[in-house]
Amino acid sequence: DQQVKQNSPSLSVQEGRISILNCDYTNSMFDYFLWYKKYPAEGPTFLISISSIKDKNEDGRFTVFLNKSAKHLSLHIVPSQPGDSAVYFCAASPNDYKLSFGAGTTVTVRA
Amino acid sequence: GAGVSQSPRYKVAKRGQDVALRCDPISGHVSLFWYQQALGQGPEFLTYFQNEAQLDKSGLPSDRFFAERPEGSVSTLKIQRTQQEDSAVYLCASSGTRSGNTIYFGEGSWLTVV
Repeated sequence: DQQVKQNSPSLSVQEGRISILNCDYTNSMFDYFLWYKKYPAEGPTFLISISSIKDKNEDGRFTVFLNKSAKHLSLHIVPSQPGDSAVYFCAASPNDYKLSFGAGTTVTVRA
Repeated sequence: GAGVSQSPRYKVAKRGQDVALRCDPISGHVSLFWYQQALGQGPEFLTYFQNEAQLDKSGLPSDRFFAERPEGSVSTLKIQRTQQEDSAVYLCASSGTRSGNTIYFGEGSWLTVV
């Protein structure tokens, strides 16, 4: 069963504009959420995370928003840059060792 | 190197062949994870080690899959009698802590079963 869902397989955005990636989850035991970025032929790299006690976490151009009541989180990238073109995975954990991942969203930033 | 190292990077196996995938975690990391990523999907948890102890193997798809970490450092994922559905990228990750927020992934071993 897919406990973490990324319903948009792809996103195309113009350089300089905002990229918004969405993620939904079903397991109410999840209390830690992460975003990973993956380039082709490389492993996922950690981007940003948020704990369930917060509703927003910001790190430079990246901001993650969490809506626990809706079981929804989003990643905002502002402004988008060509180097942001990659696959982005949403992941969730009940704050232990096991991560559940979404299927990923491929972001393409157009010049 | 400073990161998680996996070998081989690419492996083509004939159906029925046994394969072994190796992972060298970041030095000093006590936690080690194996994930399987099928084409077009996100990584799925296979197994977890804390030092040499395999604490969770609930994600291993069948008894053809076996993982070990005998000295608490290098780990090997072995797949016996490979089948086409085993074709995937096998990702190893390590962490200096127990939680998921400090996991570092390797580049993966791409397995194709023909």
